Amino acid sequence: EAGVTQSPTHLIKTRGQQATLRCSPISGHTSVYWYQQALGLGLQFLLWYDEGEERNRGNFPPRFSGRQFPNYSSELNVNALELEDSALYLCASSKGQRTRTGELFFGEGSRLTVL
Amino acid sequence: AQSVAQPEDQVNVAEGNPLTVKCTYSVSGNPYLFWYVQYPNRGLQFLLKYITGDNLVKGSYGFEAEFNKSQTSFHLKKPSALVSDSALYFCAVNSGGFKTIFGAGTRLFVKA
Repeated sequence: EAGVTQSPTHLIKTRGQQATLRCSPISGHTSVYWYQQALGLGLQFLLWYDEGEERNRGNFPPRFSGRQFPNYSSELNVNALELEDSALYLCASSKGQRTRTGELFFGEGSRLTVL
Repeated sequence: AQSVAQPEDQVNVAEGNPLTVKCTYSVSGNPYLFWYVQYPNRGLQFLLKYITGDNLVKGSYGFEAEFNKSQTSFHLKKPSALVSDSALYFCAVNSGGFKTIFGAGTRLFVKA
């Protein structure tokens, strides 16, 4: 069974540009979570999607947005990039609202560098 | 609001010695508690979880964790550390609201 896949692995952008990160969850998982892991700051919750809808959002500005497609894959968009957006962006999936106590399955992450 | 604290940025232990990585939490209601491990330049891997029942939970790679409700703690333990256990460990909590909150992480160094 394929795990959570993320693309691209690495992405280099300049300030003001836009970045798009992609995530494919494990087959059968309907929930997708996005986390930001900046150096020394641990994992910060960004967004949670389930069944195609945004269910919860972390304390990030509106230029962080995303969506979930009918096949449950997801995109994270970061507009007007700032230097402090440089981080590892992790996507995780779970079985969704039917299984509250389930663990998260993480992808390998997309490392975004903003110059 | 739920929160997780990992009071130690780093834990050093000699190979073969027991290890403990500490975690305390604050949630309303019953907590669902998790431990994850992250190796360099990799995503997080699930180690173990506590949902209900026995306070001692056993997980992957010989790790276990003890849930202590009165102290609101969920410390990760292993009887005999390996050099390959060196990694970044995250404690996480979910109060049933579908948002999992992670601690800041504790870096474990196991010396040969």
